[in-house]
Amino acid sequence: AQTVTQSQPEMSVQEAETVTLSCTYDTSENNYYLFWYKQPPSRQMILVIRQEAYKQQNATENRFSVNFQKAAKSFSLKISDSQLGDTAMYFCAFLETSGSRLTFGEGTQLTVNP
Amino acid sequence: DVKVTQSSRYLVKRTGEKVFLECVQDMDHENMFWYRQDPGLGLRLIYFSYDVKMKEKGDIPEGYSVSREKKERFSLILESASTNQTSMYLCATTVGARGEKLFFGSGTQLSVL
Repeated sequence: AQTVTQSQPEMSVQEAETVTLSCTYDTSENNYYLFWYKQPPSRQMILVIRQEAYKQQNATENRFSVNFQKAAKSFSLKISDSQLGDTAMYFCAFLETSGSRLTFGEGTQLTVNP
Repeated sequence: DVKVTQSSRYLVKRTGEKVFLECVQDMDHENMFWYRQDPGLGLRLIYFSYDVKMKEKGDIPEGYSVSREKKERFSLILESASTNQTSMYLCATTVGARGEKLFFGSGTQLSVL
């Protein structure tokens, strides 16, 4: 079974600075998807960014980018120019290409300080 | 937009009660999932289903069962609720040619007293 590990339970950053959240995973699959989800206090899961394992290029979405290291099974999220609205719980997730099993990490609580 | 609806946002039950948590999706998605979310433990997979009447155990199935009689509805059942099942329960579904899009319900906070 796949496992996803987020080793940073909590992180904080000053507004406008850059922060990186770590995620590692373990799988024997060659093709899969990786996601970062944001969960604000409303509890709604919001997609931040998605990476397809067969694509070597790192995904980017505005201020959010990932560092995908397939061989190392690492998938970190970089948030640039942090904003107060980025304060939330962030989850890393792994999805088999069949879509039949979705595994999450433990989560990282990010606080952006003014 | 795809909609994933969980029947209750907050639920309070007593120890020993049978509890049903419902999740309904408004598209023809095949894969549906039930998770529980606890602080420091993230989202842990309880059960998932990839078709009607098909189900697979996740990582923590003990104390739970599921039902999927129709494609749009995936029910999580606590046969005899216990206090350690107090948690936030989240339903999700995947869609896409390779199941790569995820959709979530808004969660049910269950308290077992």
